[in-house]
Amino acid sequence: QVQLQESGPGLVKPLGTLSLTCAVSGGSISNNNWWNWVRQPPGKGLEWIGEIYHSGSTNYNPSLKSRVTISVDKSKNQFSLKLSSVTAADTAVYYCASGTYAGLGYWGQGALVTVSS
Amino acid sequence: QSVMTQPPSVSGAPGQRVTISCTGSSSNIGAGYDVHWYQQLPGTAPKLLIYGNTNRPSGVPDRFSGSKSGTSASLAITGLQAEDEADYYCQSYDSSLSGSRVFGGGTKLTVL
Repeated sequence: QVQLQESGPGLVKPLGTLSLTCAVSGGSISNNNWWNWVRQPPGKGLEWIGEIYHSGSTNYNPSLKSRVTISVDKSKNQFSLKLSSVTAADTAVYYCASGTYAGLGYWGQGALVTVSS
Repeated sequence: QSVMTQPPSVSGAPGQRVTISCTGSSSNIGAGYDVHWYQQLPGTAPKLLIYGNTNRPSGVPDRFSGSKSGTSASLAITGLQAEDEADYYCQSYDSSLSGSRVFGGGTKLTVL
């Protein structure tokens, strides 16, 4: 049973870079899954940010693509999110999730990131 | 604003049947992409409820079912229970967004 756990700073200054890591346990990051980031602003719906395959191939939400980098560290069995030039609109709970084109079957518990000075 | 539209809220009494619609377009659901459904209980992460339009992961009760036709999909819940009160999201892919995963805006189900 794959388990995912997000970690990273809960507070980021405006115009700074948001950085989160998702640790994968109970399975290898080199399996046939895509490793995703999804966010949810307070009281709002889900927004897909992007995904990465263990080969390093990535897909990003076009609306965020210029500010997003997702990377994978196979040696640590984890993947990471960097979102640059953040504003208050980027305040959200950030989830890591994994799955295939058959949906995202595994989710982390989520990490609240607040953008504020 | 999502490219797939869901009603903001639906409600039903215990034991009743409710449906939640997910209306897309020719670049997502109508293009033949699969639709998945997620249930998000208050204060928790989303959970995959239906995948590949009609399939239930192991452990999901058969009270939940999905369907797809044309540019729309639906989630049906029969024998409504208090524990079903949650937010529900559809998810597909959109060719006009470079094949990105896209979520519907979400529907709040209230059990009366």
